[in-house]
Amino acid sequence: AQKITQTQPGMFVQEKEAVTLDCTYDTSDQSYGLFWYKQPSSGEMIFLIYQGSYDEQNATEGRYSLNFQKARKSANLVISASQLGDSAMYFCAMREGGYQKVTFGTGTKLQVIP
Amino acid sequence: DAGITQSPRHKVTETGTPVTLRCHQTENHRYMYWYRQDPGHGLRLIHYSYGVKDTDKGEVSDGYSVSRSKTEDFLLTLESATSSQTSVYFCAISESIQGRTSTDTQYFGPGTRLTVL
Repeated sequence: AQKITQTQPGMFVQEKEAVTLDCTYDTSDQSYGLFWYKQPSSGEMIFLIYQGSYDEQNATEGRYSLNFQKARKSANLVISASQLGDSAMYFCAMREGGYQKVTFGTGTKLQVIP
Repeated sequence: DAGITQSPRHKVTETGTPVTLRCHQTENHRYMYWYRQDPGHGLRLIHYSYGVKDTDKGEVSDGYSVSRSKTEDFLLTLESATSSQTSVYFCAISESIQGRTSTDTQYFGPGTRLTVL
């Protein structure tokens, strides 16, 4: 089974609107970490936001927030007030337990329309 | 900026030739990783290192070897490159973002685009 599933290969959003990128995960560990990365067309991987499995509040970083629903095993990324510079690939990832290995999803390509 | 550089940034080589990619970090991180990125697959772990001379395999390690003789350098070698190894290769380090090991987050280098003809 896929450990990280991103079901939206591509999405469009109007500039200044909010958008939610979906991510579901599969793990039997109680302790794990969830991450989102952004990859613009220039190719670099940019860390956006982290959520720990024991964190009671949803993580937020500026315009990014992580909608963490533990029982549903989902960790959706919400981008508020989309900007043209938000057009990129977005990857969800998970680190399980005490391990250093991280598993990535296949990504969602977001395009922001003026 | 996690102080990670990769060299070369681009390389074109022929099938059967050996290739070595270098990852260099300046901040004394213990953990280093090599990933490959291919369309439809996201990033897949090739090998990682948890200290000098300490390495372990990832999910796609066949055809690759690694070495770490110094903390700052992690080398990825394709002993005999094949066309299936055409990919973008990323190096990463792991750093705690909240001062706790449980929050270790990976930060990536700029990537190396490798083409095997």
